[in-house]
Amino acid sequence: TQLLEQSPQFLSIQEGENLTVYCNSSSVFSSLQWYRQEPGEGPVLLVTVVTGGEVKKLKRLTFQFGDARKDSSLHITAAQPGDTGLYLCAGANNNAGNMLTFGGGTRLMVKP
Amino acid sequence: ETGVTQSPTHLIKTRGQQVTLRCSSQSGHNTVSWYQQALGQGPQFIFQYYREEENGRGNFPPRFSGLQFPNYSSELNVNALELDDSALYLCASTRAIAGGTDTQYFGPGTRLTVL
Repeated sequence: TQLLEQSPQFLSIQEGENLTVYCNSSSVFSSLQWYRQEPGEGPVLLVTVVTGGEVKKLKRLTFQFGDARKDSSLHITAAQPGDTGLYLCAGANNNAGNMLTFGGGTRLMVKP
Repeated sequence: ETGVTQSPTHLIKTRGQQVTLRCSSQSGHNTVSWYQQALGQGPQFIFQYYREEENGRGNFPPRFSGLQFPNYSSELNVNALELDDSALYLCASTRAIAGGTDTQYFGPGTRLTVL
């Protein structure tokens, strides 16, 4: 069974601060995806990383895939209240029909 | 919006009852996956349907079953409801490509409460 551990589970910071969310596994994934979920809605895809060591940037968000494709991180620079939400990482394996294995999520609150 | 719709939005049932949840996939998508998200947790994979057949299943008992129709829409059926079945049920659609599937797009979910 593949598992993804996310840390921290909760994060409450002030506007303007930086933060990093981690997603770790002992398993290798074909790709890893990061989602953001608002209350009462489904997860919305932020980014997919595929290559070990890959770094992708989305405005103030930086995503990194570990060299061994077992772990990933999400770094947010100068967080804003609009960044508040549940951040989920999910690993996919092409051998398993791209079934997604989700981490437990990081609930981020950015206070103005 | 992802183009994936789910119905109903909310549902309240009692223990032992049966429930059917529905999902319409995004245009051009032929694969549908269902996930269960308990409060405060990440989604858990239930099963996936491709070309009207189950194409992978997570660690869920047989009382969780599904269907996919020729128009690629899907249903999730849960029999003999238990209190722990209370959760947000998410449907995700995608298209099969060589070597796997493309990005999955999630619907807004159905919030099921079992009393």
